[in-house]
Amino acid sequence: GAVVSQHPSWVICKSGTSVKIECRSLDFQATTMFWYRQFPKQSLMLMATSNEGSKATYEQGVEKDKFLINHASLTLSTLTVTSAHPEDSSFYICSAIPPSSGRNEQFFGPGTRLTVL
Amino acid sequence: GENVEQHPSTLSVQEGDSAVIKCTYSDSASNYFPWYKQELGKRPQLIIDIRSNVGEKKDQRIAVTLNKTAKHFSLHITETQPEDSAVYFCAASIGSSNTGKLIFGQGTTLQVKP
Repeated sequence: GAVVSQHPSWVICKSGTSVKIECRSLDFQATTMFWYRQFPKQSLMLMATSNEGSKATYEQGVEKDKFLINHASLTLSTLTVTSAHPEDSSFYICSAIPPSSGRNEQFFGPGTRLTVL
Repeated sequence: GENVEQHPSTLSVQEGDSAVIKCTYSDSASNYFPWYKQELGKRPQLIIDIRSNVGEKKDQRIAVTLNKTAKHFSLHITETQPEDSAVYFCAASIGSSNTGKLIFGQGTTLQVKP
């Protein structure tokens, strides 16, 4: 089956620092990946669509200068939270759709727990 | 904008009973409706999905029904087991499913009591 990994699984950082989260499709190439944010006991909120070789598409209300997305290869997308603040603490999850699936089934990474002190 | 409403927010059943979770969506162009199960601190896992050209789909103890006219779809779990306890999310494709984008419901915390 399609496998998506994320690194790191958790990170604690000081306010004002930047944090990079990696999302990798391990056994397929993904031209499109998605980044979600999930606060405790809440739903998954789509932040942006990451497109290989082009700029990411951000959802309304998501600051593109704060959440930098780079999709430099067909198996890797990165999300950088710049100048992180405590309110950015959340569970960040990526997903990808295998091109062969034809079903639009999204496979999710295991998530990254970000805690900003 | 597009919206998916999910009810109930919490559901507690006895082991062996059935559980039903309902969702409504607003975008009439949506044509792909997956259901995900998420255990605490884990990734969402697809448990079943349905496309708009089908009214019902079943996979062992899990079934999904879709009423496109009413923009309703529901998850049915029969013979519930304690390991079914988790948070369940419905989702609907935004517009047609060509973009792959999904909008998620608010989630239902299912507790199955032994």
